[in-house]
Amino acid sequence: DQQVKQNSPSLSVQEGRISILNCDYTNSMFDYFLWYKKYPAEGPTFLISISSIKDKNEDGRFTVFLNKSAKHLSLHIVPSQPGDSAVYFCAASAIGGFQKLVFGTGTRLLVSP
Amino acid sequence: DGGITQSPKYLFRKEGQNVTLSCEQNLNHDAMYWYRQDPGQGLRLIYYSQIVNDFQKGDIAEGYSVSREKKESFPLTVTSAQKNPTAFYLCASSPGEGSEKLFFGSGTQLSVL
Repeated sequence: DQQVKQNSPSLSVQEGRISILNCDYTNSMFDYFLWYKKYPAEGPTFLISISSIKDKNEDGRFTVFLNKSAKHLSLHIVPSQPGDSAVYFCAASAIGGFQKLVFGTGTRLLVSP
Repeated sequence: DGGITQSPKYLFRKEGQNVTLSCEQNLNHDAMYWYRQDPGQGLRLIYYSQIVNDFQKGDIAEGYSVSREKKESFPLTVTSAQKNPTAFYLCASSPGEGSEKLFFGSGTQLSVL
């Protein structure tokens, strides 16, 4: 049972445009959400997070939006740069879950010059 | 520099052989984790440890074993009982309770000969 879903395996965007990566979840106990960025043959690196008490969190070019009623979150990258090309994982943790993150399957973003 | 070191980067296992993946951290983190990544899939939790001399099974613990004798070290043994061991293995750590952000190592690619 996939509790965290990233339904788009890949996304192609031109440099300078907006990239929107989507994530859906099914477990209503999830209260903290994170996005990780991963390059091939490397470990994921933390990008941005959001608590369920917020609906938006912004860090430079990266903004995460959370819609609790729809159990949906999205990551916006503006403007997109070629160096943003990577696999992006959405992850969630439940109340009392002690950082037992549940990861989505990832979306591969390709930003072309 | 503080971080998480995984070794080796590439590992080959013969049929019926046990192999051990190393994970060392100098971040003074209490919690450590092992995840497995298969192509097209998210990261799945194998084992995690909240404190020295204690560890819990994750979602896919069968065929794996761990130990946590030191705070800095959390080795993973892939036993011969794991019938499909070929995957990318990621070790992670976190400060502990109250912090959901995981810090990942660079991973070990395990293949079966």
